[in-house]
Amino acid sequence: QQQVKQSPQSLIVQKGGISIINCAYENTAFDYFPWYQQFPGKGPALLIAIRPDVSEKKEGRFTISFNKSAKQFSLHIMDSQPGDSATYFCAASMIGSGGSNYKLTFGKGTLLTVNP
Amino acid sequence: SAVISQKPSRDICQRGTSLTIQCQVDSQVTMMFWYRQQPGQSLTLIATANQGSEATYESGFVIDKFPISRPNLTFSTLTVSNMSPEDSSIYLCSVRVGAGELFFGEGSRLTVL
Repeated sequence: QQQVKQSPQSLIVQKGGISIINCAYENTAFDYFPWYQQFPGKGPALLIAIRPDVSEKKEGRFTISFNKSAKQFSLHIMDSQPGDSATYFCAASMIGSGGSNYKLTFGKGTLLTVNP
Repeated sequence: SAVISQKPSRDICQRGTSLTIQCQVDSQVTMMFWYRQQPGQSLTLIATANQGSEATYESGFVIDKFPISRPNLTFSTLTVSNMSPEDSSIYLCSVRVGAGELFFGEGSRLTVL
């Protein structure tokens, strides 16, 4: 089943706090898991992505944690800032060796608000 | 990465008319995609547009309603035909670059009255 479940739907965090967004997937063939950040009036921007051969990937204040056995992955935003306030989408895809069947399935999104 | 330009950025259209959205990429890409994002919702893939072949449509989307052209490796168009208010959405062009990274344009915001 090509479905990615994302939670929570909305999240309010104080400045300096940790924001955590979770996603779960069904299809074990998925092998590419990106996170996108979308500001109002803008297109989604690729934030960070992970492949299932690693359990964690960190880029600055953003970290993806990946649990292959549980079929779950999460985004952690450390030291959250008001400028991080946006909608975050997780996604999953089957890139495989050739990438000829590349299609992203998106979660429903999380609206993050970081209060000053 | 890739720089993706979409035109128009927004439009207000009357019911029953058609609108063509253009997508221009600053580099040659094999795979281009069109997504729809309804207000406050997630992204849904409409179709995959590859140069030199007909677009591949996802379930629930048909060529008569959303004809797509892909004349070269840097350009594509999506037409929303015979529009109704239910077609009011953001339409996003995206391209695959490198090892699978997908980049999006800013979107075309369509309102149908």
